[in-house]
Amino acid sequence: EDQVTQSPEALRLQEGESSSLNCSYTVSGLRGLFWYRQDPGKGPEFLFTLYSAGEEKEKERLKATLTKKESFLHITAPKPEDSATYLCAVQHTGNQFYFGTGTSLTVIP
Amino acid sequence: NAGVTQTPKFRVLKTGQSMTLLCAQDMNHEYMYWYRQDPGMGLRLIHYSVGEGTTAKGEVPDGYNVSRLKKQNFLLGLESAAPSQTSVYFCASSYSFTGSFSGANVLTFGAGSRLTVL
Repeated sequence: EDQVTQSPEALRLQEGESSSLNCSYTVSGLRGLFWYRQDPGKGPEFLFTLYSAGEEKEKERLKATLTKKESFLHITAPKPEDSATYLCAVQHTGNQFYFGTGTSLTVIP
Repeated sequence: NAGVTQTPKFRVLKTGQSMTLLCAQDMNHEYMYWYRQDPGMGLRLIHYSVGEGTTAKGEVPDGYNVSRLKKQNFLLGLESAAPSQTSVYFCASSYSFTGSFSGANVLTFGAGSRLTVL
């Protein structure tokens, strides 16, 4: 069965304290793995797409990596404005996307 | 660019009432989707459309109907609302899956519609 599991559910960091969010997945035929950011009361906003194991993408303080079974979203020296829920999703060879339940990140000044 | 616009943003219904959520996109996307988001459940696909005049069921279609009469609009209807349909509903759109070498496509989401059924 295709599924996506994110951990931890919630993460509190001090400003500048680097950490990683995990997304483990099982899917038959991966088209792509996506990371989205969701702020309270808003829709998810696209961050990255990763297509194959070994691929890495970076954007400001965020870096996403992909293996055959999981993806990590590394946050380097986070700032309070990085506080949000981060969602992971996988798309398999059909038309469907499967979303994880997200990691709620709080960065304390 | 407005992107994906959902109306209304908030709605309170009584059990048994009907309503329609409207989604409009101005990006000329072929594919459109309706998701619901509940605490601890993640986003779940209700229905989707791969083009004007076509719709298909997703993971949780029961109690909902959809229509895509125009390419830019995707309507989600609740014929007889139930408390279990209390949720935040998100519309999303994307290009067709032939748009990139691997077929993976980015979803663009609306801001959401919060529905409460009493």
